[in-house]
Amino acid sequence: EVQLVESGGGLVQPGGSLRLSCAASGFTFNNYNMNWVRQAPGKGLEWVAYIHSTSTTMYYADSVKGRCTISRDNAKESLNLQINDLRAEDTAVYYCAREAFRSGFPGGFDYWGQGALVTVSS
Amino acid sequence: DIQMAQSPSTLSASVGDSVSITCRASQSVSAWLAWYQEKPGKAPKLLIYKASALQGGVPSRFSGSGSGTEFTLTISSLQTDDFATYYCHQYSGYPYTFGQGTKLQLK
Repeated sequence: EVQLVESGGGLVQPGGSLRLSCAASGFTFNNYNMNWVRQAPGKGLEWVAYIHSTSTTMYYADSVKGRCTISRDNAKESLNLQINDLRAEDTAVYYCAREAFRSGFPGGFDYWGQGALVTVSS
Repeated sequence: DIQMAQSPSTLSASVGDSVSITCRASQSVSAWLAWYQEKPGKAPKLLIYKASALQGGVPSRFSGSGSGTEFTLTISSLQTDDFATYYCHQYSGYPYTFGQGTKLQLK
């Protein structure tokens, strides 16, 4: 069974940093590209970051570019998101999501974690 | 960036109805579009990928259509379990973007 389990959320002061992790199991982690998606309270989904299966390519949303680093450890089957200079608008539930791969092409996010809540407040 | 405009933002319907949700892209995304269902406190669930392909395990009353800039999610014969919020998502290019969501509520 595919499982994605986020950890590392919590209450952080503005300007602080946080590292989120996502533990993957039930599939061959190093075959899949991974993403982070967030959802602010009462708001819609916002894509945050992408990392290729081999860590050769990463992309970021403009809202976090320069403050955020996505990384992965294929040996440990884990995905990470480091966010620096946290702002109130970063308050959200952060999901890790696996990108489906269909006949050589991306196919949406087929598995999601349960989410980790990050609250930025003094 | 590719903007995704979903409509309507709220939709009221009854069990047994058929409903449609539209998603318009600010530029062509070809067929690189997915639809998700989200329920309170739960992670989104993939329903449709590549505009019209049904994700495994998803009931056949869900269908997707469209290409280029205009897409539709149709749910036929609504069931109680279908009342939720729906999002479209383009994965044609980075940054990936989502529509703002459509809340499907019981009339």
